[in-house]
Amino acid sequence: AQSVTQLDSQVPVFEEAPVELRCNYSSSVSVYLFWYVQYPNQGLQLLLKYLSGSTLVKGINGFEAEFNKSQTSFHLRKPSVHISDTAEYFCAVSDRGTDKLIFGTGTRLQVFP
Amino acid sequence: NAGVTQTPKFQVLKTGQSMTLQCAQDMNHEYMSWYRQDPGMGLRLIHYSVGAGITDQGEVPNGYNVSRSTTEDFPLRLLSAAPSQTSVYFCASSCGLAGQCEQFFGPGTRLTVL
Repeated sequence: AQSVTQLDSQVPVFEEAPVELRCNYSSSVSVYLFWYVQYPNQGLQLLLKYLSGSTLVKGINGFEAEFNKSQTSFHLRKPSVHISDTAEYFCAVSDRGTDKLIFGTGTRLQVFP
Repeated sequence: NAGVTQTPKFQVLKTGQSMTLQCAQDMNHEYMSWYRQDPGMGLRLIHYSVGAGITDQGEVPNGYNVSRSTTEDFPLRLLSAAPSQTSVYFCASSCGLAGQCEQFFGPGTRLTVL
């Protein structure tokens, strides 16, 4: 069965510092990988996705993620965060050929001035 | 386009009451789904539909029913609410091309069962 592990439940960081949010997955088949962001009291918005091809994926708001098949990881990075990046971030996986998403438990990014 | 809309935004129920959470999309998406979000547990899939007339169970289907009579609508029914169903519920839709399309999420319904 698929599963997604987000190792950090909270990540505090100062504005303009770099950040990495970690995500590991387990699956016996080929997968698609996603990062979603949820701002307070809102629904989820897609940041980026990996379907195939280049393992470095660029998304919205300056975020990027790297797919590492050997380590079954899909970590999210941003070189310089802003106060407005304060939100909860969810990593998700789906088996190729389906639309069913399995989510991690989320990482709350708190950016301080 | 309104995207994915959900009603109501907030609801308080007593144990044993029934209700329907509404979800509609105007993007002609084939795939629709319902998730619940609980603190520390992320989002868990309740039910999903790959097209009108076709539904299936997700990870946590017990206590919930769905139907899909039209492409646009995908209501979620709680037949006899329980406190364990206190949660935030999200509906999502996508074009259904086997995972290659973005899933769009509604704004959520916050449900409290007393």
